[in-house]
Amino acid sequence: AQSVTQLGSHVSVSEGALVLLRCNYSSSVPPYLFWYVQYPNQGLQLLLKYTTGATLVKGINGFEAEFKKSETSFHLTKPSAHMSDAAEYFCAVSISFGNEKLTFGTGTRLTIIP
Amino acid sequence: NAGVTQTPKFQVLKTGQSMTLQCAQDMNHEYMSWYRQDPGMGLRLIHYSVGAGITDQGEVPNGYNVSRSTTEDFPLRLLSAAPSQTSVYFCASNPRLAGVDTQYFGPGTRLTVL
Repeated sequence: AQSVTQLGSHVSVSEGALVLLRCNYSSSVPPYLFWYVQYPNQGLQLLLKYTTGATLVKGINGFEAEFKKSETSFHLTKPSAHMSDAAEYFCAVSISFGNEKLTFGTGTRLTIIP
Repeated sequence: NAGVTQTPKFQVLKTGQSMTLQCAQDMNHEYMSWYRQDPGMGLRLIHYSVGAGITDQGEVPNGYNVSRSTTEDFPLRLLSAAPSQTSVYFCASNPRLAGVDTQYFGPGTRLTVL
């Protein structure tokens, strides 16, 4: 079975500062890893994903994440936070090709300080 | 394409009542899934389907039934609602094509059971 741990249920950063949201996973087989973003009262939107190949993955809105197998981590970063980045972020893992069975972390709410 | 649609957006039930949450997608996706989202717990998989006529249980299936008679529709039935089923429910679909492994989420249904 797979699992995901997101460190920090709430993270606050100043506008223009580095965003770092942490995600560690556990999986008995090579995982597929995802970051989703949820804006208030909306569904989830895919930010980026890692399946195979390059371990540094770039996503939408300037976000990127690096898959580190030795650390079982998939942390999400953005060099310069924008007010529009305020949302809840979910890390997720799947071990199935179709990814119909995602296992989500508990989420991190990102607040941007003007 | 309308994408993944869910109805209703909001629903209030009394304990013991039954209802069906509707989910439809117009993208001809094979895979569809139902998740519930609870504060501090992320999203948890209820049921999923890998094609018409095929369904399987996820992490938290108790109290819910599903069926998949067509590719487009994947309704979620609550047979006898309980306060523990108060949650936000998300439906998702996935095309499961080679190189494409993204789940598309609907806008959600917010259910309150009194």
